Amino acid sequence: DADVTQTPRNRITKTGKRIMLECSQTKGHDRMYWYRQDPGLGLRLIYYSFDVKDINKGEISDGYSVSRQAQAKFSLSLESAIPNQTALYFCATSDSGRDYGYTFGSGTRLTVV
Amino acid sequence: RKEVEQDPGPFNVPEGATVAFNCTYSNSASQSFFWYRQDCRKEPKLLMSVYSSGNEDGRFTAQLNRASQYISLLIRDSKLSDSATYLCAVKRSFGNEKLTFGTGTRLTIIP
Repeated sequence: DADVTQTPRNRITKTGKRIMLECSQTKGHDRMYWYRQDPGLGLRLIYYSFDVKDINKGEISDGYSVSRQAQAKFSLSLESAIPNQTALYFCATSDSGRDYGYTFGSGTRLTVV
Repeated sequence: RKEVEQDPGPFNVPEGATVAFNCTYSNSASQSFFWYRQDCRKEPKLLMSVYSSGNEDGRFTAQLNRASQYISLLIRDSKLSDSATYLCAVKRSFGNEKLTFGTGTRLTIIP
């Protein structure tokens, strides 16, 4: 099983719908992140959480919200999806006690029509 | 100026050749540096950390130049399987800051 699991893998949704992307991890890491990736723009940070009670906005948080339900779970919600939120979304984790970089989930490809 | 910048490429390199990429960063307080590899439509995977003294892992060598604020990745004897996008990532301080990624350099190894 993957260390960082994202669901769903692919999703097509209509404009205006609320959707949730989920992320769970078995690495025991305390820190979790949500990024989106668009061609030519690279990975951009949406939200991050350094522990269960800590939630922080990233550079592009408008239109998104998150919930850290447990140390192992971090979900991303699009309150009212719009077409320019079509992107590849990645969840990532890291350990505050070690400087080993991030471990990424396999991504969710979201299309808003 | 972007915090982390990379030449997007593409770099088209014959198999067996040596190829090098650079990545510049703007914040002189940056402390941690990484190279990631990303295959098409897949997640980034950590390739190697970049240490002050430089480090090598098989055909891959990473170096840090603090004076000029860049990191480099050298791939020797390139293989077809090295074709991917290479992302650099920078963190301002050990364990206390989020990573900032470059947009990536696309590498294609030609048979």
